[in-house]
Amino acid sequence: ELKVEQNPLFLSMQEGKNYTIYCNYSTTSDRLYWYRQDPGKSLESLFVLLSNGAVKQEGRLMASLDTKARLSTLHITAAVHDLSATYFCAVWDFNKFYFGSGTKLNVKP
Amino acid sequence: DSGVTQTPKHLITATGQRVTLRCSPRSGDLSVYWYQQSLDQGLQFLIQYYNGEERAKGNILERFSAQQFPDLHSELNLSSLELGDSALYFCASRSRGQAPNEQFFGPGTRLTVL
Repeated sequence: ELKVEQNPLFLSMQEGKNYTIYCNYSTTSDRLYWYRQDPGKSLESLFVLLSNGAVKQEGRLMASLDTKARLSTLHITAAVHDLSATYFCAVWDFNKFYFGSGTKLNVKP
Repeated sequence: DSGVTQTPKHLITATGQRVTLRCSPRSGDLSVYWYQQSLDQGLQFLIQYYNGEERAKGNILERFSAQQFPDLHSELNLSSLELGDSALYFCASRSRGQAPNEQFFGPGTRLTVL
């Protein structure tokens, strides 16, 4: 079965620092999605990456996709407390979405 | 607000009971996906419907069933409930716009089985 692995699972960082969340997957899919979830809330779509080399940026978040390495990254620049949430990557393959375990990000003031 | 609606928001019931969760997709979306999110299992895909027909099945238990009606709303039926069924249940609908297969999630139904 397709596997989607995120790391780290937990990330505690100071405001102003940079960090990267990694998402590895085991299929040749070229469709990768990033979502954000606040505690007790629903999932909010952040980025949709549809081809090798795709890069998308929104504010302090930038996502990229390397389909050859089967790797997507979510880079956080100069983190702020408002970015504290759980981030999920998901892969689309044969009519199904496969989600990673999520990375719980805590940005400390 | 994603445009996907789910009812009820919270549901508390006892083991052995049966419940029905309801989902209405965004206007224009034909696909509905159901997910279960629990602390120990993470986000698990359960089942997908497209325009009234089942399209894909994930880790859905035999005690669970779903359907999509002609008006495109969907219901997830959970029966013979067990403590382990306590979870957040999300539905999502899929866009057909510029971002193929992008899903939009509803607010979820929190099910507590006592």
